[in-house]
Amino acid sequence: DIVMTQSPDSLAVSLGERATITCKSSQSVLGGSNNKNYLAWYQQKPGQPPNLLIYWASTRESGVPDRFSGSGSGTDFTLTISSLQAEDVAVYFCHQYYSIPRTFGQGTRVDIK
Amino acid sequence: EVQLLESGGGLVQPGGSLRLSCAGSGFTFNSYAMSWVRQAPGKGLEWVSSISGSDDSTYYADSVKGRFTISRDNSKNTLYLQMNSLRAEDTAVYFCAKLGCTGVYCWYDYWGQGTLVTVSS
Repeated sequence: DIVMTQSPDSLAVSLGERATITCKSSQSVLGGSNNKNYLAWYQQKPGQPPNLLIYWASTRESGVPDRFSGSGSGTDFTLTISSLQAEDVAVYFCHQYYSIPRTFGQGTRVDIK
Repeated sequence: EVQLLESGGGLVQPGGSLRLSCAGSGFTFNSYAMSWVRQAPGKGLEWVSSISGSDDSTYYADSVKGRFTISRDNSKNTLYLQMNSLRAEDTAVYFCAKLGCTGVYCWYDYWGQGTLVTVSS
């Protein structure tokens, strides 16, 4: 199984400042045939289902604000919120869809400082 | 508009059974693989099972293999999860999720609101 490890577990950032979350996979999730990273990011607010932010490690889902960006390749990935807004308070999860079983990171809670 | 509506959750005793349903609308249901993902109270996300659009391929987490069965009825645009021999550790909110591309190796682009399954005596 591919283990996904996020850091930090939680962080508090001032409004308008940058928030950075990292995700490390225990094996590469880079596809050899298409050179794409099988890595997605989701946002989950209390009492709600997860909401897709990023797929293929860096492709922003339609309707997601451009302050959210994803980067990385192979085993190391980053989700960046360039200017934190109040509505971004949530838990963020990375997810690999490279292999079965599908696995998720443990989640990173983002709060306002 | 894509919608996924789960039902069937509830309180069940250890060793009991439950059948979850997920009704999909707003997309061509039989073109997309679907999954069940669960979240124990206050915990992270755990993939449970997936099924291809044509129903000919199914996949399970080791933690549920042999106890849970995923299926779909494309004529009713509905996904199912039959859960048998339930354990306390199966207590969770169960989400159905649609894959974002016409394949199995894909992200989840839409999620239902979830249905709570509580296994307790």
